[in-house]
Amino acid sequence: EVQLVQSGAEVKKPGESLKISCKGSGYSFTTYWIGWVRQMPGKGLEWMGIIYPGDSDTRYSPSFQGQVTISADKSISTAYLQWGSLKASDTAVYYCAKSFPMGHYDTFDVWGQGTMVTVSS
Amino acid sequence: QSALTQPASVSGSPGQSITISCTGTSSDVGHYNHVSWYQQQPGKAPKLIISDVSNRPSGVSNRFSGSKSGNTASLTISGLQAEDEADYYCGSYTISSTVVFGGGTKVTVL
Repeated sequence: EVQLVQSGAEVKKPGESLKISCKGSGYSFTTYWIGWVRQMPGKGLEWMGIIYPGDSDTRYSPSFQGQVTISADKSISTAYLQWGSLKASDTAVYYCAKSFPMGHYDTFDVWGQGTMVTVSS
Repeated sequence: QSALTQPASVSGSPGQSITISCTGTSSDVGHYNHVSWYQQQPGKAPKLIISDVSNRPSGVSNRFSGSKSGNTASLTISGLQAEDEADYYCGSYTISSTVVFGGGTKVTVL
């Protein structure tokens, strides 16, 4: 079974750093793009960016460029989303998702369960 | 890049058909046939229901269908059922090599 399992909920203070993870299994992790999607409380989906674990080629939405860093460790089939300095406005659920078909990244066919990030003083 | 435009809400009675529109520009929806639709139930992760404008993944009910004309894509749900009550999002590839989602549409079954 193809699965993406994300790390657990986080509660952080403004200014702190954070790295959340997404572990893939049941498929060739290096040959499908993995993306990150933000969903703020009560709001819609926002495409943040995507990485190709095979060579770490990364693309960012202009809205998130410079605000977050997407990375991957193909040796452990895990993708990451990290912040250097969190803001209250980063409070949201973050989903990772596997792209479909191979070589393309416009569609997500498998999603992680989501990681709730709460940033509050 | 701006989000694709979807109606905030659409409603229908059981058994009826409803259509959700997704309007973009010539830089996204109008440029590529890479439009997808997702269903999100409350508290759950999104689920892919349509890819590449009109392709239905295995296991998705044939009551869901997609189409596109110009800069507007559409999702039609026929034979509306109570279980179809959810939020629906469209997504499109863009000429900037990114993806943009719509604002989402809440479907209510009356």
